[in-house]
Amino acid sequence: DGGITQSPKYLFRKEGQNVTLSCEQNLNHDAMYWYRQDPGQGLRLIYYSQIVNDFQKGDIAEGYSVSREKKESFPLTVTSAQKNPTAFYLCASSIQVSGEKLFFGSGTQLSVL
Amino acid sequence: GNSVTQMEGPVTLSEEAFLTINCTYTATGYPSLFWYVQYPGEGLQLLLKATKADDKGSNKGFEATYRKETTSFHLEKGSVQVSDSAVYFCALDTDSWGKLQFGAGTQVVVTP
Repeated sequence: DGGITQSPKYLFRKEGQNVTLSCEQNLNHDAMYWYRQDPGQGLRLIYYSQIVNDFQKGDIAEGYSVSREKKESFPLTVTSAQKNPTAFYLCASSIQVSGEKLFFGSGTQLSVL
Repeated sequence: GNSVTQMEGPVTLSEEAFLTINCTYTATGYPSLFWYVQYPGEGLQLLLKATKADDKGSNKGFEATYRKETTSFHLEKGSVQVSDSAVYFCALDTDSWGKLQFGAGTQVVVTP
């Protein structure tokens, strides 16, 4: 079955530590996205990538980094510069077609120890 | 800039009640509009969409009509079930890459 796989489902970060969240898709989608979800708030875009080896900052990119070395993979690193990393992180992908929908992964809950 | 405003939750209903979740938007151009649903501990799933004015999206008994004159896309269901308990997000996009602007989400709780 095609879909988006995020791992791990739960992740804990210590002070000063960088952590990486995995996102893999086998839908052959060109575009991939990372969103952050905080309780009672909508989703906020962190980074997005429309093509391999290219990515753009979203609305809240500070303290995060990404790479897009393969079409299937779009890992997100939460760096020590992100002072409030506790949130639910969602990865998504889409085809480059007007009005086409986003497909979401099942999310990673990141907490600070 | 683009924005989406949803009614605040939680919305608590009894089974078989009528559900309405209001959504209004501000956008330049001609956005496509979406409703996504999120069940506890999961990612979002597309519920329905509309790509132009007066279009009606529908799925699983839910409906929403794209009203350009009132910049609204209200979600409705005539008879809710306990299994409809979830958080519902209204969203819009104004480019072809799926970079969506989401509302804050509305939690719906349906009791037996």
